[in-house]
Amino acid sequence: DTAVSQTPKYLVTQMGNDKSIKCEQNLGHDTMYWYKQDSKKFLKIMFSYNNKELIINETVPNRFSPKSPDKAHLNLHINSLELGDSAVYFCASSQDEITQYFGPGTRLTVL
Amino acid sequence: DQQVKQNSPSLSVQEGRISILNCDYTNSMFDYFLWYKKYPAEGPTFLISISSIKDKNEDGRFTVFLNKSAKHLSLHIVPSQPGDSAVYFCAASALGGANSKLTFGKGITLSVRP
Repeated sequence: DTAVSQTPKYLVTQMGNDKSIKCEQNLGHDTMYWYKQDSKKFLKIMFSYNNKELIINETVPNRFSPKSPDKAHLNLHINSLELGDSAVYFCASSQDEITQYFGPGTRLTVL
Repeated sequence: DQQVKQNSPSLSVQEGRISILNCDYTNSMFDYFLWYKKYPAEGPTFLISISSIKDKNEDGRFTVFLNKSAKHLSLHIVPSQPGDSAVYFCAASALGGANSKLTFGKGITLSVRP
């Protein structure tokens, strides 16, 4: 039974398109996150939500818009995709704001 | 500016021997440290953590040591097993509560040879 799940696992799209990545957690955690792992392999936080409220926004371009319909879901919508958006995006959740549990990742490739 | 550094990109160890993975940090506000393990095409999995009020935490084959004065921590795996082969990320957190976030190192690829 998957704790943190993401869809899709792979996403290939053209520059300029709009796409969404979905994340769901069944751990009952209050806080969810989006991370980006770039080509240099660094995992960097993008956003965090606590009980559907935006808590952290790490100077991410406003083409990226997270949406949390409820505390078990945190979706990431990306407008006008650029080549530099190609990366692996990980969703995570946490109850204590420290120990985070990650989803399997979504590999986004922008052509 | 990397606040969490894992300077060795890879480590190769014989099965049964000890693996020592190192991590350095620069931000003295960090008060909680974690190690994550990642297999290819999977998300990072939480392994072990340590609070800054401790200098050692042990969980089975895994022990994390923290040297606050040197801003250095290490993960010891003993005995190492082939299934331990993965990328290991060191992460650090400052402040508790809703504004806390994890800062990750670049990861170390551990290969355990049978």
